[in-house]
Amino acid sequence: GENVEQHPSTLSVQEGDSAVIKCTYSDSASNYFPWYKQELGKRPQLIIDIRSNVGEKKDQRIAVTLNKTAKHFSLHITETQPEDSAVYFCAASPTGGFKTIFGAGTRLFVKA
Amino acid sequence: DVKVTQSSRYLVKRTGEKVFLECVQDMDHENMFWYRQDPGLGLRLIYFSYDVKMKEKGDIPEGYSVSREKKERFSLILESASTNQTSMYLCACCRNLVDTEAFFGQGTRLTVV
Repeated sequence: GENVEQHPSTLSVQEGDSAVIKCTYSDSASNYFPWYKQELGKRPQLIIDIRSNVGEKKDQRIAVTLNKTAKHFSLHITETQPEDSAVYFCAASPTGGFKTIFGAGTRLFVKA
Repeated sequence: DVKVTQSSRYLVKRTGEKVFLECVQDMDHENMFWYRQDPGLGLRLIYFSYDVKMKEKGDIPEGYSVSREKKERFSLILESASTNQTSMYLCACCRNLVDTEAFFGQGTRLTVV
């Protein structure tokens, strides 16, 4: 069935460094790719999303890239700060379908 | 801002009990979802609903049922709780079934003993 794989499961970086989280998806009909951030004890919240007619999208220190041919997309966080520490989920969602598929999550630690 | 509220943050129930998890949203969205969150497994869809009294199974519906009597309220029911249903449960809603942002509740951590 449809699947979204997310790597790495845990990522530890020094404050100020960049962090990259990668996801691959199996359903070629997917055309919407959101990223959610879940801080400890809080609800997941959308931080950025990208649609398949766009290759890259930026919002301040975060960016997402999409390669539809290879069926993978990535989240890039630059100049990481301790408040970036959280679990990040990628997801893929098809037009005309009914199910958004989530990755297993990446726990990011930013060390001060 | 959309507000999605789950009735309990923490619940402890005994094996075999019938358990109700309630979720209410205030933005008039048609679509509501129940997910289960477990470490290393991400968010797995249990059930979703695209309209009042309508429901569809997700990936892991076994042992669960749902009720959507009013547009704003979506309930998850564990007919006979078991220890393997100990988990974090997240409710969500959104304007469309796919390709739009999902708004999550704060989660209910259920422990079945």
